[in-house]
Amino acid sequence: GENVEQHPSTLSVQEGDSAVIKCTYSDSASNYFPWYKQELGKGPQLIIDIRSNVGEKKDQRIAVTLNKTAKHFSLHITETQPEDSAVYFCAAPKQAGTALIFGKGTTLSVSS
Amino acid sequence: EPEVTQTPSHQVTQMGQEVILRCVPISNHLYFYWYRQILGQKVEFLVSFYNNEISEKSEIFDDQFSVERPDGSNFTLKIRSTKLEDSAMYFCASSESFETQYFGPGTRLLVL
Repeated sequence: GENVEQHPSTLSVQEGDSAVIKCTYSDSASNYFPWYKQELGKGPQLIIDIRSNVGEKKDQRIAVTLNKTAKHFSLHITETQPEDSAVYFCAAPKQAGTALIFGKGTTLSVSS
Repeated sequence: EPEVTQTPSHQVTQMGQEVILRCVPISNHLYFYWYRQILGQKVEFLVSFYNNEISEKSEIFDDQFSVERPDGSNFTLKIRSTKLEDSAMYFCASSESFETQYFGPGTRLLVL
């Protein structure tokens, strides 16, 4: 089955800096990779996703890159703001199933 | 914007008691899920539901758990005899296709 590893577990940046979070997956058949943002006491919020037919996708200050050969994908946040502070989770679909397997999460702290 | 809703937001129960967690998925979605998150840990898949039956379940989803779609709008998770280790946040999610999953705000379950 799928296994998702996420790094780093914590990330502290200054406001305006960029932040990069990386995930690796094990199942080469996986073809959909979402990123979720979870604020304290709330449910995971989908912020961006990518499918395996593209290598990069952007949405304003957020971008995701995918390297299928190396089986890793990354979240890039540019011009970080204090409201970007949250826990970010990557995920990939379980082999032959509909379940999402989540990484362990990255706690991003943006200080002003 | 349509969203997944969950009730109650918090539930405290005694060990051995039955609890029912309720979810209203996004109205045109066809796939429904339950996940849980133990405090400080990653989100874990429990069960997926499609076409009025379970399509997949994890090893966590044992005989103490059941799901039901009692009408056209609600989706419930029942834990028959709660244990201390069932204490967690429980998230409902729904999707139109089996990829993009939208999560509810969660129910915090505390078993004493």
